[in-house]
Amino acid sequence: DAGVTQSPTHLIKTRGQQVTLRCSPISGHKSVSWYQQVLGQGPQFIFQYYEKEERGRGNFPDRFSARQFPNYSSELNVNALLLGDSALYLCASSSQGGTVRDTQYFGPGTRLTVL
Amino acid sequence: AQSVAQPEDQVNVAEGNPLTVKCTYSVSGNPYLFWYVQYPNRGLQFLLKYITGDNLVKGSYGFEAEFNKSQTSFHLKKPSALVSDSALYFCAVRDGAGNNRKLIWGLGTSLAVNP
Repeated sequence: DAGVTQSPTHLIKTRGQQVTLRCSPISGHKSVSWYQQVLGQGPQFIFQYYEKEERGRGNFPDRFSARQFPNYSSELNVNALLLGDSALYLCASSSQGGTVRDTQYFGPGTRLTVL
Repeated sequence: AQSVAQPEDQVNVAEGNPLTVKCTYSVSGNPYLFWYVQYPNRGLQFLLKYITGDNLVKGSYGFEAEFNKSQTSFHLKKPSALVSDSALYFCAVRDGAGNNRKLIWGLGTSLAVNP
């Protein structure tokens, strides 16, 4: 079975632009979470969606938004890009939508560089 | 407050020797603990988790972890290290109390296994 897939792999944008990152979860998984990982740090939680509803939101500005589609894939949108948004953006899928026992499986990530 | 600490930024071991990567946590309720590994420019790969039951948890690639409630620790171990184990290791915890299902991540420990 295919794992979590993300596109694109790499992306270069300039300050002020907007970007859309995409994620397809493992087949059968209904929950998708987004994380930002800055070099040298652990992942920082951005959003979680389950069955197309937002289940959690991290401490990120409103420039960050996301949605989940009927096929459970997801998009993360970031508006008005800042240099500090440069990071690896990770998508994780899980089957149980955020129970304590839930195991998240990660995609390879999208490396975003903002110039 | 919920937190995870990985007290060592880097661990160096010789190939064939046992390895330990340390993790301590602080939560209000029962802890649900996870270990992930990240290879360069890759996403996070799930290694193992502790939910309940036996304090010794076995995971992928020969790794295991020991849950110690009194010391609030969940150290990752492997009896005989391989050069290919060299990577960045992250510990994460979910707090069983309340409705917050967010994963709290450590800052990571870089493991270098020398031939």
